[in-house]
Amino acid sequence: GESVGLHLPTLSVQEGDNSIINCAYSNSASDYFIWYKQESGKGPQFIIDIRSNMDKRQGQRVTVLLNKTVKHLSLQIAATQPGDSAVYFCAETPFGNEKLTFGTGTRLTIIP
Amino acid sequence: SQTIHQWPATLVQPVGSPLSLECTVEGTSNPNLYWYRQAAGRGLQLLFYSVGIGQISSEVPQNLSASRPQDRQFILSSKKLLLSDSGFYLCAWSSGGNQPQHFGDGTRLSIL
Repeated sequence: GESVGLHLPTLSVQEGDNSIINCAYSNSASDYFIWYKQESGKGPQFIIDIRSNMDKRQGQRVTVLLNKTVKHLSLQIAATQPGDSAVYFCAETPFGNEKLTFGTGTRLTIIP
Repeated sequence: SQTIHQWPATLVQPVGSPLSLECTVEGTSNPNLYWYRQAAGRGLQLLFYSVGIGQISSEVPQNLSASRPQDRQFILSSKKLLLSDSGFYLCAWSSGGNQPQHFGDGTRLSIL
């Protein structure tokens, strides 16, 4: 079946450096993509989304890049802070679908 | 602004006992509602979703059921809990397909 997977389960980054979290997806019909941040004991928190008609979108300290040719999604976090330590999930869905398919998550640890 | 509430935050139940977890959303009308389960260190598994009152779609055959008695109320139930029902249960809402889902802070359920 279709799946959304992450290249790396864990990532450690020095505070102040930039981080990149990657996500591969296999559904060629995927149209809408989201990144979530989940802190320990809490529900996932929406970070940023992107639709398939775009290849880049920026937020506050975050950038999402979408490469539809190779079915790859990435989340870049600039100038990382201790509060960025969390598990990050990508999720995708085809157009008009009510459901999201989530990846397994990457644990980002910011080293002081 | 929209808010989502889940309760209780933690719950310890004996095997064979019933379950009722409640989720309510405020500040929006006719939301899509979702129940997920998350095993420790894992991704999110969609259990049920609802696009309207009384409309429930089940994603995974299991010991659980869901109901939506009111527009902004979503209930997860079981008549007899199994050990395998332990996990972190998350409720989410969205304004429709291809829109972000917004999560509550979850219920950590332990079955003894």
